[in-house]
Amino acid sequence: GQQVQQSPASLVLQEGENAELQCNFSSTATQLQWFYQSPGGSLVSLLSNPSGTKHTGRLTSTTVTKERRSSLHISSSQTTDSGTYLCAIPPSNTNKVVFGTGTRLQVLP
Amino acid sequence: AQTIHQWPVAEIKAVGSPLSLGCTIKGKSSPNLYWYWQATGGTLQQLFYSITVGQVESVVQLNLSASRPKDDQFILSTEKLLLSHSGFYLCAWRPGGREQYFGPGTRLTVL
Repeated sequence: GQQVQQSPASLVLQEGENAELQCNFSSTATQLQWFYQSPGGSLVSLLSNPSGTKHTGRLTSTTVTKERRSSLHISSSQTTDSGTYLCAIPPSNTNKVVFGTGTRLQVLP
Repeated sequence: AQTIHQWPVAEIKAVGSPLSLGCTIKGKSSPNLYWYWQATGGTLQQLFYSITVGQVESVVQLNLSASRPKDDQFILSTEKLLLSHSGFYLCAWRPGGREQYFGPGTRLTVL
């Protein structure tokens, strides 16, 4: 079945630095979604990006479908960006969703 | 606008006791609904999904069951809790194969 790996597992930045998060998946994906999980556990959808490049605010996601990878770029990081970033992929034509292992980001003041 | 609610917010239960967690979505008819579980420090795992009333598909067996008694309601339950059931439970809905939206979650501690 679909497997999703994220890297790095953890990342520590100084406020103002940029972050680059990676998501690699084992099978073809027609949908890919990036989430932010707060330290309290709640999930917030950041971007849905099955292919190409998408921007929202300080976030840019680039997905190269044929290479089965997606990246999330966070520019000018802030302390409030601290938390875990997850990518999720629903396998084609099913309702089964697989989450990546996550990248834990810590932004220091 | 659609809203998704989960109850309770948190539970502390004894091993062997029953459990019932609820999820309701308002403002959307016939949503696809999902239950997820996350152990502390672990990966989110999909447990169940339902595309219609009365129909539930199991993805991962964790000695839990799910039911969809109403169009807007999804219930997760067990008659006997295990220590390994501790964690964070999230309900989500997904409109027509696109993005997923999550509820606020229920934190369960089994002692």
